[in-house]
Amino acid sequence: DVKVTQSSRYLVKRTGEKVFLECVQDMDHENMFWYRQDPGLGLRLIYFSYDVKMKEKGDIPEGYSVSREKKERFSLILESASTNQTSMYLCASSATATAFFGQGTRLTVV
Amino acid sequence: AQSVTQLGSHVSVSEGALVLLRCNYSSSVPPYLFWYVQYPNQGLQLLLKYTTGATLVKGINGFEAEFKKSETSFHLTKPSAHMSDAAEYFCAVRLEGGYQKVTFGTGTKLQVIP
Repeated sequence: DVKVTQSSRYLVKRTGEKVFLECVQDMDHENMFWYRQDPGLGLRLIYFSYDVKMKEKGDIPEGYSVSREKKERFSLILESASTNQTSMYLCASSATATAFFGQGTRLTVV
Repeated sequence: AQSVTQLGSHVSVSEGALVLLRCNYSSSVPPYLFWYVQYPNQGLQLLLKYTTGATLVKGINGFEAEFKKSETSFHLTKPSAHMSDAAEYFCAVRLEGGYQKVTFGTGTKLQVIP
């Protein structure tokens, strides 16, 4: 089975902190994604990557950056966390049509 | 560009009743279509997908969906609801070819009443 692992299930950070969310997949997938999920808004794409060191902005990239130095790892970075970034963050990977998701990281910014 | 509309943010059914969750999409080219399920505090799990071929697609846990191009719909059904089906369901669309950007609907929470 494909496994997508997010480093933390729950995080609490302070406003202004730099936050790293890590995601690792074990199936050699080319494509990786970061979404945030908010009630009533569904999943919104923040960034995606289709190859090592390649990245593309999604629908809501403001306030975020990403890093993909190795094929299996895709990191989401909040340069200066703000309270409006409190959300559930979901990582996914895919090779073909189907995206496989991690368990999610619930981030609270206080 | 593609988009997805899920009608009804909350749906309640009785145990044993038919489940029908509605999804309409817009896409300028033939799409790939997906239904995912999310249990509380979990990630998303693929229920079923349509890429090409047969328009009636069967998935896990007794769910199925039918791709109707003329109606731009991909509704999810299950003949008989079970308590364990209570979850949030997301419809998603991806364009064939190109980078695999997937667009999700806003989700439908299914409540199953005993």
